[in-house]
Amino acid sequence: AQKVTQAQTEISVVEKEDVTLDCVYETRDTTYYLFWYKQPPSGELVFLIRRNSFDEQNEISGRYSWNFQKSTSSFNFTITASQVVDSAVYFCALSEEAGRRALTFGSGTRLQVQP
Amino acid sequence: NAGVTQTPKFRILKIGQSMTLQCAQDMNHNYMYWYRQDPGMGLKLIYYSVGAGITDKGEVPNGYNVSRSTTEDFPLRLELAAPSQTSVYFCASSSSSATGELFFGEGSRLTVL
Repeated sequence: AQKVTQAQTEISVVEKEDVTLDCVYETRDTTYYLFWYKQPPSGELVFLIRRNSFDEQNEISGRYSWNFQKSTSSFNFTITASQVVDSAVYFCALSEEAGRRALTFGSGTRLQVQP
Repeated sequence: NAGVTQTPKFRILKIGQSMTLQCAQDMNHNYMYWYRQDPGMGLKLIYYSVGAGITDKGEVPNGYNVSRSTTEDFPLRLELAAPSQTSVYFCASSSSSATGELFFGEGSRLTVL
């Protein structure tokens, strides 16, 4: 069975601080996809990134960066110079390659960025 | 650009009532899903469908039913609503390609009193 663990329930930072959200996953599949979604206070789910299991290169998109390490089964998300608009719940998720292809979600990390 | 459309957005039910949450997608996706999100928790899979006429249970199917008569529609039926079904429900869809990305609706907030 697949599992995604986000051990940080809530993080509070002051604006302009860097913050890293941790994600650890478990799967028996050799091919899989990892995701991060953002859920702002309005409630919708906003797709941030998809990474497949064969691509361990780190990715940077503006103030966001992701560190994927298969050796430790981790897919961590860093926000550089955080802003108040980054305040949201962030979910890490793991997708199955075949079959139902559903996403297994972690329990989420609530990030509060104080001005 | 409708994407995944869910109705209603909000609903209050009394214990024992029944209702259907509607979900429609216009992307010709084969895969569709229903998730529920309880307060402070992640999303749990209720039911899914890999194509018209095919449905199967996810992790938390009790108290729900689904049907998939067309590619576009995937309604979720709640029979005999219970307070434990108070939650936010998300419908999602994905294509048959191996990219894995799910497209989500905006969610339906259901309260059972």
